[in-house]
Amino acid sequence: QKEVEQNSGPLSVPEGAIASLNCTYSDRGSQSFFWYRQYSGKSPELIMSIYSNGDKEDGRFTAQLNKASQYVSLLIRDSQPSDSATYLCAVSPPGSARQLTFGSGTQLTVLP
Amino acid sequence: EPEVTQTPSHQVTQMGQEVILRCVPISNHLYFYWYRQILGQKVEFLVSFYNNEISEKSEIFDDQFSVERPDGSNFTLKIRSTKLEDSAMYFCASSTFGGEYGYTFGSGTRLTVV
Repeated sequence: QKEVEQNSGPLSVPEGAIASLNCTYSDRGSQSFFWYRQYSGKSPELIMSIYSNGDKEDGRFTAQLNKASQYVSLLIRDSQPSDSATYLCAVSPPGSARQLTFGSGTQLTVLP
Repeated sequence: EPEVTQTPSHQVTQMGQEVILRCVPISNHLYFYWYRQILGQKVEFLVSFYNNEISEKSEIFDDQFSVERPDGSNFTLKIRSTKLEDSAMYFCASSTFGGEYGYTFGSGTRLTVV
């Protein structure tokens, strides 16, 4: 059974702080990893993708991948109230990027 | 920015009725997907579609479900005989490549089975 686990939160951070979101996955052969943002009642929106060990930065967002520990994280620097949303970790199994397994999401609230 | 368009945004149907959910993927995308999200639960994969055929499907996608690309623009999900537990938000998505770089999701259709 492929599993993607996230702390459900809620996670609250003050405006301007760094928010750290974590995700673990069970299928060691997983190859593609994604972070999606989902506002309440809306569809998931792709924020970051990462495929190899290490860090990947895009603006205020940094994704980190450690395949040995089966761990993916997302850092949001200079958090803004508009970042308040549920962040979904998604993983594709080996050989099948067409099928994503999503975590249950971490609800982030950025306090003004 | 190109969008994936889904209609209707909300559909209410009686148990046992057939429903068709419609999607217009981004025009130059080749891979199409349906996912669902039951209220308060995870986003779940249903099916992927490429070159006019299903490429992968999950255990959820049983004989009650079917997908079709009836013309060059629309992509539909049919639920043959709806059950109460089919109530969920259904998301269509599309991608240029086989999902390796992520998808673009549509805004969703909220299906309520009564």
